[in-house]
Amino acid sequence: DTEVTQTPKHLVMGMTNKKSLKCEQHMGHRAMYWYKQKAKKPPELMFVYSYEKLSINESVPSRFSPECPNSSLLNLHLHALQPEDSALYLCASSQDLQGWTEAFFGQGTRLTVV
Amino acid sequence: EDQVTQSPEALRLQEGESSSLNCSYTVSGLRGLFWYRQDPGKGPEFLFTLYSAGEEKEKERLKATLTKKESFLHITAPKPEDSATYLCAVQGNTGFQKLVFGTGTRLLVSP
Repeated sequence: DTEVTQTPKHLVMGMTNKKSLKCEQHMGHRAMYWYKQKAKKPPELMFVYSYEKLSINESVPSRFSPECPNSSLLNLHLHALQPEDSALYLCASSQDLQGWTEAFFGQGTRLTVV
Repeated sequence: EDQVTQSPEALRLQEGESSSLNCSYTVSGLRGLFWYRQDPGKGPEFLFTLYSAGEEKEKERLKATLTKKESFLHITAPKPEDSATYLCAVQGNTGFQKLVFGTGTRLLVSP
């Protein structure tokens, strides 16, 4: 099983709202990632968690707040977003912490900020 | 800085018309080169991992090859269901766990 599950699939939120994206994997992977993808662009890395600790933050604005409650779950808390934050948000996981093995992606959350 | 360039940007094929997609890369110490397929509005689906020059991997109508500077994704006798964007990504020695993606090749296969 190489499944990464993301919820919700679609989300529309106002600029003053607070919402959360959720991601779950049961492959025993110790590295989990958040990526952002705009239309017709490649995915861009936002955050990396290794063994439930934040190891990489790609200078992401503080209105995005990641959380890793346990080894299977990854959340992305959203607050005071801007319309330009509308994008496909992808969660991924990988077995290896040094980047030697492939990452498996979820189906994404399509976020629209109005 | 690690870089990936994919060509062509878009490719239209007739069903059964074989072709190749190119991924050129510069990386400081290649740990892995990865091919993904992405359908519109969906997450990337993993296809292949290649580690060293000369390596080849096959899956159904797809075959990925690797040299020291580029990788090719060969599509043999494609079908309309092969239509998708194909993404290439590299993982180098610097920037652990950080995949660098190319901009992808949009493939359209007509019946």
